[in-house]
Amino acid sequence: AQTVTQSQPEMSVQEAETVTLSCTYDTSESDYYLFWYKQPPSRQMILVIRQEAYKQQNATENRFSVNFQKAAKSFSLKISDSQLGDAAMYFCAYRPPMGSGNTGKLIFGQGTTLQVKP
Amino acid sequence: DVKVTQSSRYLVKRTGEKVFLECVQDMDHENMFWYRQDPGLGLRLIYFSYDVKMKEKGDIPEGYSVSREKKERFSLILESASTNQTSMYLCASSSGTTNNQPQHFGDGTRLSIL
Repeated sequence: AQTVTQSQPEMSVQEAETVTLSCTYDTSESDYYLFWYKQPPSRQMILVIRQEAYKQQNATENRFSVNFQKAAKSFSLKISDSQLGDAAMYFCAYRPPMGSGNTGKLIFGQGTTLQVKP
Repeated sequence: DVKVTQSSRYLVKRTGEKVFLECVQDMDHENMFWYRQDPGLGLRLIYFSYDVKMKEKGDIPEGYSVSREKKERFSLILESASTNQTSMYLCASSSGTTNNQPQHFGDGTRLSIL
């Protein structure tokens, strides 16, 4: 079965510093997508960044970047220049290839709560 | 922007009641999903639908059913609510045309079963 593991229930970072959130997953597929979602205290989940498994280049979105290690099945999120507004729960998610009933569904990790200290 | 609207932010019901959670999206998305979110467990998929009147079981469908009579609306039904169904429920939608499209989430419904 495909699983996603976030081993850090809680993390904290000083404002303006850099923090890395870990995520590992288990799959036998070669073509899939990985996502990081952010859930602020207001609760609406929003997409932070996505990565296609067939792309070797790590995805970047402004202060957010990933370190995608396909062989190790690792997908960590790096937040640079952390801001108070980055405080939230972060979820790593895996999407299987399309077909065989896997129509866009996601498999989520347990989540990591990030605290940003002023 | 995609808008996914869940009918209630907070809901309190009694054991044994039939409970309806409603979700509406305004982007003509083919796929819709219901998750429950519990501390330490992340989000777990209850049911999803890839077309009107089509539904598929997710990982934890027991005690739930769904209805999708119109493309924009996906309802989650707790047939006979139990206290272990107290949770946060999240609805999401996505385009079904390609696999790289993200899911868009509603604000969630915090459901308490007494």
